[in-house]
Amino acid sequence: EVQLLQSGGGLVQPGGSLRLSCAASGFTFTNYAMSWVRQAPGKGLEWVSAISGTGADTYYADSVKGRFTISRDNFKNTVYLQMHSLRAEDTAVYYCAKVEVTTIRAGFDYWGQGTLVTVSS
Amino acid sequence: DVVMTQSPLSLPVTLGQPASISCRSSQSLIYSDGDTYLNWFQQRPGQSPRRLIYKVSNRDSGVPDRFSGSGSGTDFTLKISRVEAEDVGVYYCMEGTHWPPITFGQGTRLEIK
Repeated sequence: EVQLLQSGGGLVQPGGSLRLSCAASGFTFTNYAMSWVRQAPGKGLEWVSAISGTGADTYYADSVKGRFTISRDNFKNTVYLQMHSLRAEDTAVYYCAKVEVTTIRAGFDYWGQGTLVTVSS
Repeated sequence: DVVMTQSPLSLPVTLGQPASISCRSSQSLIYSDGDTYLNWFQQRPGQSPRRLIYKVSNRDSGVPDRFSGSGSGTDFTLKISRVEAEDVGVYYCMEGTHWPPITFGQGTRLEIK
C-alpha cells in the first residue's frame, strides 16, 4: 500500500525558513518523480515543485522559484521541500504527491495527508 | 501558461440526481504522444485530494462507476450519474500536457440540495 507521511509544518515569521518532509513507502521510490502541491486557506490547488526519480531534475512554480528547494534522499525514501524567505502568501496546506508514472505530466496518483504552514508575525 | 476554467463553481444537486462539471482549457490538451493529460480530482471536506479520472476517461481503482470523464481537445466533462452523500466536496480538473507547470482548475464545490 502506498503511503506518504508528511512532517515539518508549523508557524514561522515572515522571512523565515522551514523544511517539509515526506516519507514514502509501498512503492519503489527511485522509480517515481515526486511533487509538492499547496492549498491556501479556502482556495484551490497550486502546483509548487517537482523532482525526478534520480533527483537530477527539479522544477518550480514561478511563485516560489529562488526561495524553495526540493530534494530527495533515495536511501531514506524521503522527499523534502526547503522553504526560505517565507511570505504571508505562502501560508497553505502543503501536500506531497507521487507522480503516477515516469513523466510528471501524467499527474499525481497518491497524496500525503497535508501539513499546514502558517507565515505570520 | 494554460488556463483551466471550470464551471459551475458551485453545484447544488439533489441526492440521486446526475451532476456534470465542465473544464475548459485555453489550449488543446492533446500531447505529441497522442495522449491527453487531463485528470479529475475529488477533495472531500478536510481530506487530501484523491484522483478519480486520468487521461480524460480512465477511472482509478476503487472509484465508483457512477463517475465518468469525457471530452477532447479543450473541452472536458466529469459526470456523476447519481449523486450520493459521500460525493460532497470540491472537484478539480488538472492538465499536464503543457508541463511545466501542472495547472489546476479553480475547483467546483458540489453540495446536496
